Amino acid sequence: QVQLQQSGPGLVKPSQTLSLTCAISGDSVSSNSAAWNWIRQSPSRGLEWLGRTYYRSTWSNDYAVSVKSRITINPDTSKNQFSLHLNSVTPEDTAIYYCVRWVGAGYNYFDSWGQGTLVTVSS
Amino acid sequence: DIVMTQSPLSLPVTPGEPASISCRSSQSLLHSDGNTYLDWYLQKPGQSPQLLIYLASNRASGVPDRFSGSGSGTDFTLKISRVEAEDVGFYYCMQALHTPLTFGGGTKVEIK
Repeated sequence: QVQLQQSGPGLVKPSQTLSLTCAISGDSVSSNSAAWNWIRQSPSRGLEWLGRTYYRSTWSNDYAVSVKSRITINPDTSKNQFSLHLNSVTPEDTAIYYCVRWVGAGYNYFDSWGQGTLVTVSS
Repeated sequence: DIVMTQSPLSLPVTPGEPASISCRSSQSLLHSDGNTYLDWYLQKPGQSPQLLIYLASNRASGVPDRFSGSGSGTDFTLKISRVEAEDVGFYYCMQALHTPLTFGGGTKVEIK
């Protein structure tokens, strides 16, 4: 059974960088059939997919246009985890952030979610 | 981006009675491989969302058979044959066809 454990600060100052990590157990970040995603949830935006990283003989990323200029999602194969970095944050980035496993290969669904991290952007 | 629209926003239900939630996509979710990429998720109070239905009509592992999904193209339905108290929460449809992956706004199911 796949488990995702999130870590990172719950408070970030405006203009700084939001950084979260998701540790994976029960699967590999280098899996050829999974993708590793970040999704956030807020009252104003609902559930919003931010982006993903995945390995298919080489590493690739996809990002939402709304955050593309500010986001980086990186795999860490040595620790079997992946991270989210969102820079130049504003109060509009306040949300619960989830790391999530995507199962592709003709199925296409999110089957494992982290516990969620409430990140507040405030001075 | 594909826009997902759910209705109703809120659904008060009586235990033991059926319930139905609608979801509409702004473009067809039918892929050339023959699959329709529409998922349903339930977010129980205080929890992360969990997968209920994938490929429009396939129940995820461990999901009770009182949950069923149907539909094609742009119109989809999630049905609960007999609502139980543990089914309360927010239900979301999501299109899994194209990035950016997009969710409906959610339907709150609560017990009358």
